[in-house]
Amino acid sequence: KAGVTQTPRYLIKTRGQQVTLSCSPISGHRSVSWYQQTPGQGLQFLFEYFSETQRNKGNFPGRFSGRQFSNSRSEMNVSTLELGDSALYLCASTKGASGLVTYEQYFGPGTRLTVT
Amino acid sequence: QQQVKQSPQSLIVQKGGISIINCAYENTAFDYFPWYQQFPGKGPALLIAIRPDVSEKKEGRFTISFNKSAKQFSLHIMDSQPGDSATYFCAVIPISNFGNEKLTFGTGTRLTIIP
Repeated sequence: KAGVTQTPRYLIKTRGQQVTLSCSPISGHRSVSWYQQTPGQGLQFLFEYFSETQRNKGNFPGRFSGRQFSNSRSEMNVSTLELGDSALYLCASTKGASGLVTYEQYFGPGTRLTVT
Repeated sequence: QQQVKQSPQSLIVQKGGISIINCAYENTAFDYFPWYQQFPGKGPALLIAIRPDVSEKKEGRFTISFNKSAKQFSLHIMDSQPGDSATYFCAVIPISNFGNEKLTFGTGTRLTIIP
């Protein structure tokens, strides 16, 4: 079974630009979560989507947004990039079946975003 | 607010020794306590997890010990091997009926196993 895939793996952008990152969850998984990982702040939760709806959101500014498609694939967008947005962005998927709480999250390799 | 405190920040253990990493949480409304292992250039991988209704869970060389009253849980790696050298994160997930699968992570422990 293929794991979580993320594209692109590496990205370099300049301040003020916007970026879109993509995540394909494990087949059959309907919940996708996004995390930001930095040396200073560690791993921080961005948001979680299930059935194309955002169910949970972390404490990030509105420049960070996401969406999920009917095939469970997800994208996250960061607008007006700042230097501090340089980080590893991780996507994780779970089964998230309706009415059943599943806690096992499987992470992709991440997208390394560098803002110059 | 920091809900999970992890220690130590870094740890060096000799091959064959026991590696112990500790986490303490501040909120009792957590329902799931996983540990993740991360190698450089990779995403975190679920290693082992425990629910609060048990005090210990063992999988191979990895054991989680859970102390609900002290709000602490720890990861023990027995017979540590060089291949165990990685960064380890504890995490917590709050009690939820559904739709709140948000992991709150500890700050991480960089483990190095030396020959």
